[in-house]
Amino acid sequence: DQQVKQNSPSLSVQEGRISILNCDYTNSMFDYFLWYKKYPAEGPTFLISISSIKDKNEDGRFTVFLNKSAKHLSLHIVPSQPGDSAVYFCAAYKGAQKLVFGQGTRLTINP
Amino acid sequence: NAGVTQTPKFQVLKTGQSMTLQCAQDMNHEYMSWYRQDPGMGLRLIHYSVGAGITDQGEVPNGYNVSRSTTEDFPLRLLSAAPSQTSVYFCASSYAAAGAYNEQFFGPGTRLTVL
Repeated sequence: DQQVKQNSPSLSVQEGRISILNCDYTNSMFDYFLWYKKYPAEGPTFLISISSIKDKNEDGRFTVFLNKSAKHLSLHIVPSQPGDSAVYFCAAYKGAQKLVFGQGTRLTINP
Repeated sequence: NAGVTQTPKFQVLKTGQSMTLQCAQDMNHEYMSWYRQDPGMGLRLIHYSVGAGITDQGEVPNGYNVSRSTTEDFPLRLLSAAPSQTSVYFCASSYAAAGAYNEQFFGPGTRLTVL
């Protein structure tokens, strides 16, 4: 039972354009969400997070949007750069101790 | 400041063998956890610890044991390896044990193959 779903296994975007990565969740008890970025042969690194009491959080080129009624969040990267090519994982906290991850989306930025 | 370190980087086991995956952090984090990453499944929580002497099960704990005798170390033991345990294993740590949401810092991973 996948409680956090990233339905797009891959996404290809041209350099300079906007990348939009999507994530859906089923458990209404999730109340804090994070995005992680992962390069090959490395561990995931934290990118940005959002609390369920907010609908938007911005950090430089990265913005996360949360739509609680739709149980949907998205990560926007503007402008996309070649170094953004990586696998992106959406994750949600169940309580404050258990982190549940989505399957990941592989983002490729084309020059 | 090394962050979260994991050893070994790669390991091949035969079915039935036992081994311990090591994890250490030098950030004085209370919370530590183990995940496995499988294709198409994302990362799944195996076990976690909110402090020395305290551990609990995650989403997929069967076949794995953990203990936490110090703040710094959180080893993961496979008592009798099975091919289904072939995976990439990540250790992570964060500041707060409970009551607060914190980013988790991940180690570089251990790639385990069970034949």
